[in-house]
Amino acid sequence: SYELTQPPSVSLSPGQTARITCSADVLSKQYAFWYQQKPGQAPVMVIYRDKERPSGIPARFSGSNSGTTATLIISGAQAEDEADYYCQSADSSGTWVFGGGTKVTVL
Amino acid sequence: QVQLVQSGAEVKNPGASVRVSCKGVGYSFTSYGITWVRQAPGQGLEWMGWISGSHTNYAQKVHDRVTMTTDTSTSTAHMELRSLGSEDTAVYYCARVNVMWQTFDVWGQGTMVTVSS
Repeated sequence: SYELTQPPSVSLSPGQTARITCSADVLSKQYAFWYQQKPGQAPVMVIYRDKERPSGIPARFSGSNSGTTATLIISGAQAEDEADYYCQSADSSGTWVFGGGTKVTVL
Repeated sequence: QVQLVQSGAEVKNPGASVRVSCKGVGYSFTSYGITWVRQAPGQGLEWMGWISGSHTNYAQKVHDRVTMTTDTSTSTAHMELRSLGSEDTAVYYCARVNVMWQTFDVWGQGTMVTVSS
């Protein structure tokens, strides 16, 4: 089955840059999407189609896709960015899948 | 204001079925798809499937137990899951699908489904 692999956790200090990776065998042929989820809340899309940022999402959020690895970058992280982050993509049949999630701690 | 409003929490016995509703407000319901995602307590997101018009695509894990439908007259999507087990205890989310961009751009507030005897 198609799987997306993320690191379980990332810790950083305020103002530092976080890089969250999402790996798969054939990520280069599909777009990657990223969602932020805070405790008790529904997810919010922060990056779509590898690197596009929805309106209202701060410019410190960016994304890239190098082939088999997509990366979410939080430049100059703030305390409010502490959350779980999930990557999402699709396999060749159009079935969507989420990565296992990465807990970002800003302290 | 664009939003998805979901039905309330449910408690079901093992082996029963549950139907969760998701009403689209503030946009053209038929111009978008609806996807369903669940999250077991303390766990990650799990994609269940989606519906766009008459087309459906279900995740392999639940494809034989789930049915997703829409009622365009009320701008409401429904997700029915049958033969419930304890592993189905989760928060169930609906999300709007922008078919062109493949984005889940608006999410419902979530519906807690508890399966317990």
